[in-house]
Amino acid sequence: QGQLVESGGGVVQPGRSLRLSCGASGFTFSSYGMHWVRQAPGKGLEWVAVIWYDGKNKYYGDSVRGRFSISRDNPKNTLYLQMSSLRVEDTAVYYCARDGQLGMSGMDVWGQGTTVTVSS
Amino acid sequence: SYELTQPPSVSVSPGQAARITCSGEALPKKYAYWYQQKSGQAPLLVIYEDSKRPSGIPERFSGSSSGTMATLIIRGAQVEDEADYYCYSTDSSGNHGWVFGGGTKLTVL
Repeated sequence: QGQLVESGGGVVQPGRSLRLSCGASGFTFSSYGMHWVRQAPGKGLEWVAVIWYDGKNKYYGDSVRGRFSISRDNPKNTLYLQMSSLRVEDTAVYYCARDGQLGMSGMDVWGQGTTVTVSS
Repeated sequence: SYELTQPPSVSVSPGQAARITCSGEALPKKYAYWYQQKSGQAPLLVIYEDSKRPSGIPERFSGSSSGTMATLIIRGAQVEDEADYYCYSTDSSGNHGWVFGGGTKLTVL
């Protein structure tokens, strides 16, 4: 079925950068599109970004476009989220999730999330 | 920006049918997906492409879509179905952006 494990979360000051990682196992990582989804404390889910199985196409939510960058290393079975110019409102649990090749089939495997806190 | 609208809460008694709606302008052309999230857990896909059920999801979960509204139906809701439910879809602008609805808290008691 597959497993995803996020890492890299922590406490960071506004304006700084942070990189999240998502390690995949138990499935052929290079065959699947991948998403980042976040959830602020006590709030609903917010879609952040998607990357196609081959890394050739990437799309972002309005609130992170231009500040966040999604990427993947298929030989290393790892997904990344580079977050720059962080804001207090970026504070959330960040989940990675697996989808179909083009990220349009539904997210069927999720990690347990990593917490990012942006605070001075 | 595109929005999906859900009722904040739905309450049913055990054994009753629970219906959770999701309204969005692009739903006549775009699939809806439904995720269940129990407290402290990661989301779980329960319906994809409007009405398909992933393996392992109980048959009491079903979905439908008509016009600008998608609906998640839980027939014979059980106490363990108490959770937040989110619809998910994309708009028709071609920008490949996805959006979640605001979520619906289902109470079964």
